Amino acid sequence: ETGVTQSPTHLIKTRGQQVTLRCSSQSGHNTVSWYQQALGQGPQFIFQYYREEENGRGNFPPRFSGLQFPNYSSELNVNALELDDSALYLCASSSRTTYNEQFFGPGTRLTVL
Amino acid sequence: GDSVTQMEGPVTLSEEAFLTINCTYTATGYPSLFWYVQYPGEGLQLLLKATKADDKGSNKGFEATYRKETTSFHLEKGSVQVSDSAVYFCALRIAGGTSYGKLTFGQGTILTVHP
Repeated sequence: ETGVTQSPTHLIKTRGQQVTLRCSSQSGHNTVSWYQQALGQGPQFIFQYYREEENGRGNFPPRFSGLQFPNYSSELNVNALELDDSALYLCASSSRTTYNEQFFGPGTRLTVL
Repeated sequence: GDSVTQMEGPVTLSEEAFLTINCTYTATGYPSLFWYVQYPGEGLQLLLKATKADDKGSNKGFEATYRKETTSFHLEKGSVQVSDSAVYFCALRIAGGTSYGKLTFGQGTILTVHP
């Protein structure tokens, strides 16, 4: 059984650029959630995908968007990057019956210059 | 809205000392409660959970009891080790609604254990 994986590990972008982050969910899990963790803060919920549809969203602007694929892997896209987007981006996978057992990936560290 | 408040940190202890990290919450519904741990350079790992009032979650010597009357879920360990040094996050999840898996986290507490 493979765990949750994320790519890339680190990324450096400049303000105004666009970025795509990727997440492969754990085997058997059909739900992926994305979180933003600023330095020294707790993770903040961005959105959740279930069976390829967005299923709940936190307080993030529309320039944060996502996709989920038939194999339940997921992408997080951020357009028009701002300096405050610099953070660790975490994805978590679960199934509809095990929301109390979410498994997190190691994260992607995004730096916006 | 839902929120989680953790004690101000960081916390520095000597090995074998007793640990308490306070966590209180406000919730619009009936929450499940969690403690996650984050080691340097890694993602989050679920440490323990409790899904109803008076439940006690436990794992690796850590314990926390769901106290509905005080809206608290304090983390305790009787004897910490250097390897327990990490950041600890308290979190809640409200069942139902549109975001079934949404976790709401506290700000985290840095624990450093010295030999």
